[in-house]
Amino acid sequence: DAKTTQPPSMDCAEGRAANLPCNHSTISGNEYVYWYRQIHSQGPQYIIHGLKNNETNEMASLIITEDRKSSTLILPHATLRDTAVYYCIVRNTGNQFYFGTGTSLTVIP
Amino acid sequence: DVKVTQSSRYLVKRTGEKVFLECVQDMDHENMFWYRQDPGLGLRLIYFSYDVKMKEKGDIPEGYSVSREKKERFSLILESASTNQTSMYLCASSLAGPQETQYFGPGTRLLVL
Repeated sequence: DAKTTQPPSMDCAEGRAANLPCNHSTISGNEYVYWYRQIHSQGPQYIIHGLKNNETNEMASLIITEDRKSSTLILPHATLRDTAVYYCIVRNTGNQFYFGTGTSLTVIP
Repeated sequence: DVKVTQSSRYLVKRTGEKVFLECVQDMDHENMFWYRQDPGLGLRLIYFSYDVKMKEKGDIPEGYSVSREKKERFSLILESASTNQTSMYLCASSLAGPQETQYFGPGTRLLVL
């Protein structure tokens, strides 16, 4: 299964874009990249996912490099409520999600 | 919106007790999952089910069993709770298929004394 590497922590100023990187150099051609976040003491919340094209929804944008070895989650205008742990997951062909330890994002007023 | 609910947010049990954690989803999802989350270890899959009365072991099934008698309900059972089962337990559900999004419940924080 493809593994992911994320920085353990990041800070972002309120109102600015938060760019969260993820490396997944061993990703296979049919594996999707998923992003979830987890606010303290709550269950993980789905954000976005993609295969090879860039994706955007009401929460965020996902940029996947052409070789698919890395991706970036972009929160365009971070708010204090975006403070959370963000998980980048590469889904295998089965039903399992493999969550790593994620990136703890702190949005600073 | 998908709704996944778990029977308790916080639970305190004694060593050796039998513990039931229940999960209910209201979106007619075929797949349901139980994870535990521990600091520094991320989420680890305990069991999952892709249909009523069907179950598959995840990465850490030892000490746990599951039951899926109805499509909307997936129970995690600790037959004899131990202190090393103190953890946050998360339930998730998804439609069938390898790339369907999983939706999580709020979690149950279990303390075994």
